[in-house]
Amino acid sequence: EAGVAQSPRYKIIEKRQSVAFWCNPISGHATLYWYQQILGQGPKLLIQFQNNGVVDDSQLPKDRFSAERLKGVDSTLKIQPAKLEDSAVYLCASSPSQETQYFGPGTRLLVL
Amino acid sequence: GENVEQHPSTLSVQEGDSAVIKCTYSDSASNYFPWYKQELGKRPQLIIDIRSNVGEKKDQRIAVTLNKTAKHFSLHITETQPEDSAVYFCAAYGAAGNKLTFGGGTRVLVKP
Repeated sequence: EAGVAQSPRYKIIEKRQSVAFWCNPISGHATLYWYQQILGQGPKLLIQFQNNGVVDDSQLPKDRFSAERLKGVDSTLKIQPAKLEDSAVYLCASSPSQETQYFGPGTRLLVL
Repeated sequence: GENVEQHPSTLSVQEGDSAVIKCTYSDSASNYFPWYKQELGKRPQLIIDIRSNVGEKKDQRIAVTLNKTAKHFSLHITETQPEDSAVYFCAAYGAAGNKLTFGGGTRVLVKP
């Protein structure tokens, strides 16, 4: 079974620039999550999708972050404009059941 | 919302010894408790999980115990090996929020 795919794996941008991350979940998994993992901390949920609908985006900084999952499969997470404190690993996860989650390799973002 | 505390933050053990990581949670309605292992620069990987109707679960050298009354759960690794060195995260799935909340992580170092 193929795992969760993410791209790019690394990204370096300057503050105030825009960046987008892509995620392809495990086939058949209806639930998709985006997490932010700051160095030395546990993953923090940014947004949760069930198919193409948003279930929880309470911790998404909506003034600069946006995410979509238009066809209920792939998803993109965008930051515009980026700030220094956005430097982190952005993890995508998918789940068949809203409990057991499988993580992708993450995108490591560095904002200079 | 759910709050998960994890201790210790770092743990150094001699190869062959046991390692124990403890987590407490705040939401008494939480019903699913996974443990993830994250090696440096890699994705979090699910290593074991337990549901609230079970008190203990074992898989080879790892085991998890759950005390619902006290709202705490623990990961036990026996006969530790150098490849057990990683950061371990506990998490709790809260029925109220329908999401996983992660602990802060424990960095385990197994010394040969």
